[in-house]
Amino acid sequence: GAVVSQHPSWVICKSGTSVKIECRSLDFQATTMFWYRQFPKQSLMLMATSNEGSKATYEQGVEKDKFLINHASLTLSTLTVTSAHPEDSSFYICSARREGGWRETQYFGPGTRLLVL
Amino acid sequence: KQEVTQIPAALSVPEGENLVLNCSFTDSAIYNLQWFRQDPGKGLTSLLLIQSSQREQTSGRLNASLDKSSGRSTLYIAASQPGDSATYLCAVRGNTDKLIFGTGTRLQVFP
Repeated sequence: GAVVSQHPSWVICKSGTSVKIECRSLDFQATTMFWYRQFPKQSLMLMATSNEGSKATYEQGVEKDKFLINHASLTLSTLTVTSAHPEDSSFYICSARREGGWRETQYFGPGTRLLVL
Repeated sequence: KQEVTQIPAALSVPEGENLVLNCSFTDSAIYNLQWFRQDPGKGLTSLLLIQSSQREQTSGRLNASLDKSSGRSTLYIAASQPGDSATYLCAVRGNTDKLIFGTGTRLQVFP
């Protein structure tokens, strides 16, 4: 099956620092990757859609200058939380979309837990 | 704007019971619907994917049905086990790339 990895799995940082999260599709090419955020006991909220070689598309209310997304290759997308604050503490999950005709689906990474002190 | 709701929000049952989890969505113009499982602090595991032209999908003890016209899907879990304890999420995809997730059902199966 398709595997998506995330690194790191968890990170603790001081307020004001920047944190980079990597998302990799290990055994398939993903022209599109998605970044979600999940607060405790809530569902996943889409933050942005990342397309290889082009600028990411952000959802309404998500600051593109704060959450920098780079999708430089068909297997790697990165999310950088710039000048992180305690309210950015959350569970960040990426997903890679495998193109395969009508059975296309998204494969999810294991998530990265961010705690900003 | 598509909204996805799941009922119940939480469920606690003894081992062996058959369960029905419900998912409803407001816009019936969907491309497909997917059920996921999420263990605490973990990512998502895809359980079943139903295309808009399909009525149901089965995998082992799991059966998912889709009634697109009424905006509903159900996930049926037969002979529940403690290992089934997790949060179950349904998600719909419209004509865009986006998956819209439901609010989730937290399931606890006790021995």
